[in-house]
Parts: sequence; structure tokens; C-alpha cells
Amino acid sequence: GENVEQHPSTLSVQEGDSAVIKCTYSDSASNYFPWYKQELGKRPQLIIDIRSNVGEKKDQRIAVTLNKTAKHFSLHITETQPEDSAVYFCAASQWGGANNLFFGTGTRLTVIP
Amino acid sequence: EAQVTQNPRYLITVTGKKLTVTCSQNMNHEYMSWYRQDPGLGLRQIYYSMNVEVTDKGDVPEGYKVSRKEKRNFPLILESPSPNQTSLYFCASSLSGSTGELFFGEGSRLTVL
Repeated sequence: GENVEQHPSTLSVQEGDSAVIKCTYSDSASNYFPWYKQELGKRPQLIIDIRSNVGEKKDQRIAVTLNKTAKHFSLHITETQPEDSAVYFCAASQWGGANNLFFGTGTRLTVIP
Repeated sequence: EAQVTQNPRYLITVTGKKLTVTCSQNMNHEYMSWYRQDPGLGLRQIYYSMNVEVTDKGDVPEGYKVSRKEKRNFPLILESPSPNQTSLYFCASSLSGSTGELFFGEGSRLTVL
């Protein structure tokens, strides 16, 4: 099955700085790559996703890039704010959607005011 | 309000005592799934269901059972719980397996003594 590796496991940034989280995947058939944010004690929620026919996608302060050749994708958060503090999970699926999503191990992001 | 509802939210039980965690969604979603979340391991899929009467194993199905007799319900059954099943469990649903967003329930924290 798919293996998704995520780095770093923890990340601290000053408010206003940028944060980058990186993931690699093993199955070249994977074609859907979502990112989920989990605030403390809450459920994971989708923040952005990208499909394999797209190289980059932006939504306000967050962006995701995908390199299919290298089999890695990254989450970029600019102008970080304290409310960005959370655990972020990347995931990959070869079904184009929610089916059989394999998640990374998570990155705990702390934004220091 | 569109939601995924899990019960119980918290449970402490003893080894070998059968238990069921219920999951219900009111969004008429075809796809439903169970994940367990453990520190350092991220979210791992236990079982999933593409539609009524269609279920399949995920990454870590050992010790669990599921059923999908109705579209809205997807209970997780632990026939003989063991301490290594102590975890935070999330039920999730999506419009279909090939569409994007997974909607998660609030989670059920299970402790097996």
C-alpha cells in the first residue's frame, strides 16, 4: 500500500513568518493529495487539496505544491497567525478522492506571537 | 446541520468486553470510514464502506468489525477489546470515494484496561 512520510514532526515559527511542511509518497498511482488541520481536541478538517494534474494551488495564505516526478508535495503557510497553531496532516489516495486515504504522521505547528 | 455523530465520545472498558461505537451521518454520503489516531502514527484507516452492504478492510483492521446496513450508519465493533486498541477513533464520511472532502466526527476516546 501507499506510504506517506511527513516532515518535520514539530515546527515553531514567529508570527508573520512562513511555514513549510513537506510530504513524500511511495505509490506513483496516487493522484489526490489533501491537507487536513486538526486543532487541539478537535476533529481534522480539510484546508486544501490538489490533484495530480495540477502543480500548485493557492487559497489566501495557504498553498500546496506537487512534484509528481519526485513524488513529494508541500504545504506553505504565509504570514502565519496564532490561530494557525495546530497539527497538520498530509494524505494521498489513488482513487481521486476520500477513498483509502493514507495519512502522514502529522506536523505540530506552533506560531509564537 | 450537516454532521457526523459518534457515540460514545469517551469510554473506559475492560479487556474482552464487547463494545460498539456508533457513527451516523445526515448528509446522504455514500462513503464512510473509520480511522484510529495514535501519537506519532497519524491517522490509520481501519475499515471503509463505499455504499450500503459494501465494506472493506483498511490498513489496520485486526480486532475490528463493521457493518453498513443503512446508508447513514456505520458502527465499529470491537468483539474482544485489548489494551492495544486504546486509541482515539474517528468516523468520517464523504459524498463518494472519488470525491474529495472527508467530514470527520468529533472522535471517540477509548481506553481498554
